[in-house]
Amino acid sequence: GAGVSQSPSNKVTEKGKDVELRCDPISGHTALYWYRQSLGQGLEFLIYFQGNSAPDKSGLPSDRFSAERTGGSVSTLTIQRTQQEDSAVYLCASSHRGIRNSGANVLTFGAGSRLTVL
Amino acid sequence: ELKVEQNPLFLSMQEEKNYTIYCNYSTTSDRLYWYRQDPGKSLESLFVLLSNGAVKQEGRLMASLDTKARLSTLHITAAVHDLSATYFCAVDGSNFGNEKLTFGTGTRLTIIP
Repeated sequence: GAGVSQSPSNKVTEKGKDVELRCDPISGHTALYWYRQSLGQGLEFLIYFQGNSAPDKSGLPSDRFSAERTGGSVSTLTIQRTQQEDSAVYLCASSHRGIRNSGANVLTFGAGSRLTVL
Repeated sequence: ELKVEQNPLFLSMQEEKNYTIYCNYSTTSDRLYWYRQDPGKSLESLFVLLSNGAVKQEGRLMASLDTKARLSTLHITAAVHDLSATYFCAVDGSNFGNEKLTFGTGTRLTIIP
C-alpha cells in the first residue's frame, strides 16, 4: 500500500481482556517495528522483524506481550490480560532495510493504535 | 545499552527567534535521524545524517552530526508558528549489529506569535 496502515485506530477494552493490534507495512519493506508511546512520552521500542523473524524482541514489557509477522508482511501485536498501564498509542513502522544494508534506515510510521484499558 | 537524551524537553520561543535542540547519545553510531510529530499525529521523517560532520537543511531547520562528541543539533532559524511540534532524534544501532532505532525523549516546541 501507499503507507503503513494500522488497525484499529482506537480500542477501548476492560482490564483483563486480550487485544490484537494489526499493522500492514509498505509493500516490499523487509523490516517492521513496533513502538509504544505513552501520553506525553517518547517512543519505547518493543520489537522488530526482519522478514518473519524477530532478531530483537527485548523491548516487550512482559510475557503478556507477543507479536508475529506472516508472509513478510502483516504483523499482529497481541496483549493478553490487559492492564491499565498498557494504555498507550502503539506505533508500527516499516523500512526497506535489508540485513546487511549499510544505508539509511528511515522508518515510515503508521498513524498508531490508541489503546485504553479501563 | 544505547541511551539517547534530548534537551530541552520543552521549549517555548517567540517567532523570529533562533534556538537549538540538542541530542546526545551514549554509544558510537554514525547514523542519526530527526523526526517531527504534530499533536495527535504520527512521526514524520525530517533529516537523515549518515556521517561525521553531516549537515542537512530544510527551510528554517538545520541538523548536524558530530559523531566524535556523540552529539546532533537541530537548529531553528527565525521560528514561525507552523514549526510548533515535538521533535525526536533517533540513533541507529547498526554499528553494533542492532537494526533498531532508539529514540530520544522528544522536545516539545511551541512557537508563540
